[in-house]
Amino acid sequence: GNSVTQMEGPVTLSEEAFLTINCTYTATGYPSLFWYVQYPGEGLQLLLKATKADDKGSNKGFEATYRKETTSFHLEKGSVQVSDSAVYFCALSASQGGSEKLVFGKGTKLTVNP
Amino acid sequence: GAGVSQSPSNKVTEKGKDVELRCDPISGHTALYWYRQRLGQGLEFLIYFQGNSAPDKSGLPSDRFSAERTGESVSTLTIQRTQQEDSAVYLCASSLWWGNEQFFGPGTRLTVL
Repeated sequence: GNSVTQMEGPVTLSEEAFLTINCTYTATGYPSLFWYVQYPGEGLQLLLKATKADDKGSNKGFEATYRKETTSFHLEKGSVQVSDSAVYFCALSASQGGSEKLVFGKGTKLTVNP
Repeated sequence: GAGVSQSPSNKVTEKGKDVELRCDPISGHTALYWYRQRLGQGLEFLIYFQGNSAPDKSGLPSDRFSAERTGESVSTLTIQRTQQEDSAVYLCASSLWWGNEQFFGPGTRLTVL
């Protein structure tokens, strides 16, 4: 079946540090890949997505590239801010019988210190 | 505009009781999803509604779980005879149609004592 594995946290960085959160997936067919973010006290929000191989999703300084050869979708940001502190979830969507349900990783908690 | 709303935000119940959780999707969104997030785990898909099609119930963990949706509006998730392992945050999401971005509600935190 479809699955997502992402690096376990928590991750603690200083402001302006470089961030990488690894995500790999197993799926049949050609899934769409997503990063969702959950800020403290808020609901899940879509951060970025990519729908086909070699696509790069980007938003708010974050980037992730859909790598079919390595089945990966690692999240990166060149210079994190305190406001980026949140839990990040990697997810995939692979149509099964018409249902675009999302399959999530376990989440990675990021804390950015000033 | 208004996002996805869920109620209650918190629910504490005793083992064996039934609970009902409510989700109000974004107006006009035809697809609605329920997920569960247990402590330290990722989100697990429970059930999916799309318009008038038969729902995808493949994620429901047992026959104690059921969900209904009236047309393209409110959905309720019912858990009968709750067990401690049902304790989790239950999240609802809606999307404009099949395959579009899912917008999530704030969740209902269920605690079964």
